[in-house]
This record gives sequence, C-alpha cells and structure tokens, in this order.
Amino acid sequence: QKEVEQNSGPLSVPEGAIASLNCTYSDRGSQSFFWYRQYSGKSPELIMFIYSNGDKEDGRFTAQLNKASQYVSLLIRDSQPSDSATYLCAPYRYGQNFVFGPGTRLSVLP
Amino acid sequence: DVKVTQSSRYLVKRTGEKVFLECVQDMDHENMFWYRQDPGLGLRLIYFSYDVKMKEKGDIPEGYSVSREKKERFSLILESASTNQTSMYLCASRTYSGGGADTQYFGPGTRLTVL
Repeated sequence: QKEVEQNSGPLSVPEGAIASLNCTYSDRGSQSFFWYRQYSGKSPELIMFIYSNGDKEDGRFTAQLNKASQYVSLLIRDSQPSDSATYLCAPYRYGQNFVFGPGTRLSVLP
Repeated sequence: DVKVTQSSRYLVKRTGEKVFLECVQDMDHENMFWYRQDPGLGLRLIYFSYDVKMKEKGDIPEGYSVSREKKERFSLILESASTNQTSMYLCASRTYSGGGADTQYFGPGTRLTVL
C-alpha cells in the first residue's frame, strides 16, 4: 500500500462548479495535512493545512479531515480556469519529513 | 512572507561536469530539503538537513552530495552529472517546532538538463 494515494486525474470540472480532490494516507500517526498547488513547470505552493477532524475553510478552499478513515480532501468552490493545476496532498507526522502524494491534475473548463 | 530562492531557474550542463545548485532561505528555518521531480514519479527526497553542518540521506541520495555551512544556505552537488539526473530540482525549507505550526515552503525550482 502506498503511503499517500491520490487519483492522478485529470479531474475535469466546468467553471463555477465545485472541484473535489481526495487523498488517503496509510500512516495513522500523521498529525497535520497540507495541500499544495503546482502549476505546470512551477514549484508547489502552499494552499492550506488542517490538523483537526472536520472542515477548515479559507476563501474558496475547504479542507476536510477524517482521521479515523485516514482521508483528507480539498474542495474548491466556484472553480476558475486559473485553478487548473496539480494538487499535492502531504501528511505530516510531527518531527518527521513531509510525505507527498503523487498529485491530482485538475482541469477547469471555461 | 517566506522566501526561498534558488540560484538558477534553468541550467544546461554536460555529462561529467560538477554541478552546484544553491538554495537560500530568509526565514531562519532550521530544516532544509532537496527534492527532484520527474513526470510520473512525483517528488522524491534527495537529502535534507535539520541544522547547520548536519545532513541526512533521503530516498535517492546516490550521485548527489550536499553542504550546509550556514543556516540560510543549502547546496546540492552533482559530483559528475549524468543524463539521468536531468530533472526539476526543488529546494524547500521548513519551520520546525515539532508540532502543528511546522510548514514547508518551496523555492521556484531549477530545471537541469544534462547533455
């Protein structure tokens, strides 16, 4: 079983729709969960992180965490073409290295 | 804002050359990392450093070495570049408290081509 699993995509959604990106992880000791956005040819940039079960909202982004199910997701509301990118999930166990998922490629269609 | 800079955005070298990639961060972070990223393989950790003069091997250290003489600077060295080291190289630095405040930031990346 891979440490971090994400659907590779591409996930295609129409402009204005909600994009739902999912991530499962194997390390039950993971404590914080990070979402990065990476445009083609660019480096990953931090979007948000979550460490408590439930939802965390930041603008159009909502992270959802369910530690019992070892599942974290990122919802993007009112998706825009500029949201088209690869989204990386990264669970983190305090004091250790981040573990990055393979990423999900999102395509928002105008 | 955290700033992580890398010495070059694009670099072209010849097989057998010694290559230096430099990374500088301005946030007094203890931890720094070097990754390479290749299509279909994701981010792979090459080396990391938890403090000055400390270094630890990551998942794919073969063919690479690192140097961290100052807290803000972490260098990746390819002793003898080979074509299979053609890749995007990403430096990152991280706050470290051992807790929920830890956050990792990436530099802009260096696209290295070895001919």
